[in-house]
Amino acid sequence: EIVLTQSPGTLSLSPGERATLSCRASQSVSSSSLAWYQQTPGQAPRLLIYGASSRATGIPDRFSGGGSGTDFTLTISRLEPEDFAVYYCQQYGSSPITFGQGTRLEIK
Amino acid sequence: QVQLQESGPGLVKPSGTLFLTCAVSGVSVSSGNWWSWVRQPPGKGLEWIGEVYHSGSASYNPSLKSRVTMSVDKSENQLSLRLSSVTAADTAVYYCARGGMTGIPPNYWGQGILVTVSS
Repeated sequence: EIVLTQSPGTLSLSPGERATLSCRASQSVSSSSLAWYQQTPGQAPRLLIYGASSRATGIPDRFSGGGSGTDFTLTISRLEPEDFAVYYCQQYGSSPITFGQGTRLEIK
Repeated sequence: QVQLQESGPGLVKPSGTLFLTCAVSGVSVSSGNWWSWVRQPPGKGLEWIGEVYHSGSASYNPSLKSRVTMSVDKSENQLSLRLSSVTAADTAVYYCARGGMTGIPPNYWGQGILVTVSS
């Protein structure tokens, strides 16, 4: 199975700043089948990015994804108060689907 | 609007069987989508349990494969998950979602249901 390692574990930033989250895979992710999810307390995950760089329906353009192979990033250009949450990367190109352990984005 | 709603017992005894259903509205379960189940232990990360297609084809996480069965009920437009021989390690919030390994990954999720395994 593909193991996804996210860094950093916790990121402390202020509203208006830029956030860069990393996801590294233990082997190449096929067809860039890499997604990013946002989860706030008590809520289900929300799909932000799929195919490494395509924004899901209704996702603001301050969210962008990039990368290929084994290294992927999620960038939030200017943080809004509602962006402080836990973010997970997920690969869905190989079975089983796997998730990273998450990055907590907290207000500084 | 696509909506999913999990239901089932919130408490299951050790060695028993967990059985959940997921009511789907706004789209037919036969619409060509794969349907996934994902779980999340309290305070921890996400674990994919498996996916099922309306034909009955399913793919399970090897870590749970021997204990899991997923199915689709076209007449009720709902999904079901069965997990046998449960232990405390199976305590989690269980989510159903539309999407899987093919096409767009899970993009519509239920709100989740907490299942506790305890005597």
